[in-house]
Amino acid sequence: AQSVTQPDIHITVSEGASLELRCNYSYGATPYLFWYVQSPGQGLQLLLKYFSGDTLVQGIKGFEAEFKRSQSSFNLRKPSVHWSDAAEYFCAVGARTGTASKLTFGTGTRLQVTL
Amino acid sequence: NAGVMQNPRHLVRRRGQEARLRCSPMKGHSHVYWYRQLPEEGLKFMVYLQKENIIDESGMPKERFSAEFPKEGPSILRIQQVVRGDSAAYFCASSPDRGAYNEQFFGPGTRLTVL
Repeated sequence: AQSVTQPDIHITVSEGASLELRCNYSYGATPYLFWYVQSPGQGLQLLLKYFSGDTLVQGIKGFEAEFKRSQSSFNLRKPSVHWSDAAEYFCAVGARTGTASKLTFGTGTRLQVTL
Repeated sequence: NAGVMQNPRHLVRRRGQEARLRCSPMKGHSHVYWYRQLPEEGLKFMVYLQKENIIDESGMPKERFSAEFPKEGPSILRIQQVVRGDSAAYFCASSPDRGAYNEQFFGPGTRLTVL
């Protein structure tokens, strides 16, 4: 069974500073990996996804993530954080079931941005 | 193209009552997923449905919970005889059926409070 670990429950960074959110996964085959962002009281918005190919993927809002098979990691990065990035971030692994997939989520990292 | 719609957005029930949560997938999407998010936790997969079929219900509690996705109309997640532990945010996601992998689009969620 697949699993996702986000070791950082809460991270605080200053506006303009760089950001890296960690994600480690466990999966028995080629993983499908996602990062979602959730603002308070809202649903989830997809930031980026990795299916195959180039291990560095670009997403929306200036985010990127790098898939490292040897480390079973898919860390999310942003070179310069904006106050509006404060939210909860979830890493997820997609498992294959027929032609579509259910997602297994990590417990999330809450990002606080100080001005 | 309207996104995934869920209603109600907020639902309050007393212990022992029934809760019905509705999800209308995006136009053209034939796959629906339900996830539950307990306070301070990530999302947990509950069930995956296609029209008139339950494909994977491995995350559904064995009792009191049921889901359907009829030929016409929204998908329904039904919780009978609710208990306080059912208080959570319930998210629906949908995906199209276009081949190897299908991205999931999430609705805004229904926040269930059991008194």
